[in-house]
Amino acid sequence: DGGITQSPKYLFRKEGQNVTLSCEQNLNHDAMYWYRQDPGQGLRLIYYSQIVNDFQKGDIAEGYSVSREKKESFPLTVTSAQKNPTAFYLCASSSYRGNEQFFGPGTRLTVL
Amino acid sequence: SQELEQSPQSLIVQEGKNLTINCTSSKTLYGLYWYKQKYGEGLIFLMMLQKGGEEKSHEKITAKLDEKKQQSSLHITASQPSHAGIYLCGAVMDSNYQLIWGAGTKLIIKP
Repeated sequence: DGGITQSPKYLFRKEGQNVTLSCEQNLNHDAMYWYRQDPGQGLRLIYYSQIVNDFQKGDIAEGYSVSREKKESFPLTVTSAQKNPTAFYLCASSSYRGNEQFFGPGTRLTVL
Repeated sequence: SQELEQSPQSLIVQEGKNLTINCTSSKTLYGLYWYKQKYGEGLIFLMMLQKGGEEKSHEKITAKLDEKKQQSSLHITASQPSHAGIYLCGAVMDSNYQLIWGAGTKLIIKP
């Protein structure tokens, strides 16, 4: 079955540590996205990629980094520079930018 | 986002009743998406609207985009427990194609 997977589902991090969230899709989509969701707020775009080896900052990229070495993979690293990383992180993909996005199940990151 | 307002923020409806959720923009929309989210899970695509006056239905859910393409409504007929969740609208407002999201409407269905 085609879809998007994210791992892990829950992640706990100590302050000062970097952590990497995994996102994989087998939909053959060119575009991939990372969003952050906080209670009572809409999704906020962290990074997006329209093609392999290329990615662009979204509205809240500070303290985050990404890579897009393969079409199906778009990992997100939450660095120690991110001041308030506790949130629900959602990965999405679309056939091209502007088209309907398909979402993964999300990763809940908690900083201890 | 201030650019895209959803109302109401939350809604408690008796099972079997109808309800409407609104999504309003101050700008003309290139496209409007409706998604549903169960708590702690990913978003599920419901419908996309692009043309002014467009209306789409899926099962008991109908979404409309007004003629000016600045407001969309999501209407659920004869609500069921399976309709409970958070409904989010996302809109494309310019040629950059970035989706701007509303804050969501939390729907609770009372049995």
